[in-house]
Amino acid sequence: AQRVTQPEKLLSVFKGAPVELKCNYSYSGSPELFWYVQYSRQRLQLLLRHISRESIKGFTADLNKGETSFHLKKPFAQEEDSAMYYCALTGGAQGGSEKLVFGKGTKLTVNP
Amino acid sequence: NAGVTQTPKFRILKIGQSMTLQCTQDMNHNYMYWYRQDPGMGLKLIYYSVGAGITDKGEVPNGYNVSRSTTEDFPLRLELAAPSQTSVYFCASRQGRSFGGTEAFFGQGTRLTVV
Repeated sequence: AQRVTQPEKLLSVFKGAPVELKCNYSYSGSPELFWYVQYSRQRLQLLLRHISRESIKGFTADLNKGETSFHLKKPFAQEEDSAMYYCALTGGAQGGSEKLVFGKGTKLTVNP
Repeated sequence: NAGVTQTPKFRILKIGQSMTLQCTQDMNHNYMYWYRQDPGMGLKLIYYSVGAGITDKGEVPNGYNVSRSTTEDFPLRLELAAPSQTSVYFCASRQGRSFGGTEAFFGQGTRLTVV
């Protein structure tokens, strides 16, 4: 079964501080992992995906298969990063790619 | 290019009433999804579809029905609305992996209140 766990419902940091949003997953094959973000009054949108190995808005995330984690990190948080962040998983090339499963989300607040 | 469009944006239903949430996408995506978003509970998958004529249950299908007669449309039907169905509903679509794309695109959501 596909499962995504985000242990923190709320995360509050000050501007300029590092931030890490945790994501752990359960999947028997090789998954594809994503981070989606929902800013206030906007629709969910893709932030980044592990296969791209890219940095978006200063955020990075590394897939750690040994720890089954895909934590989202940013070295210096900005107030505009305040949003709801969701980790998501789908199956990889071996199958199970139809379902797209999300975690419960972490609400990040960056204080001035 | 409108992307994923959901209607209505807001709706209040009385207990026992029925309604259909509409979702249409113009990106020719084969996969479509319905999620509900409850505070502190994240996004829960209700139903999904991998193509016209094919639908499957997600995590929380009870009380809902779907159909997929065309590639573009994926309506969600609520029969006999209950207060537990008060939520924000999101429709999403994505291209199947075999077609090269995995990013999901979301609608703006439908806020439903059952009283």
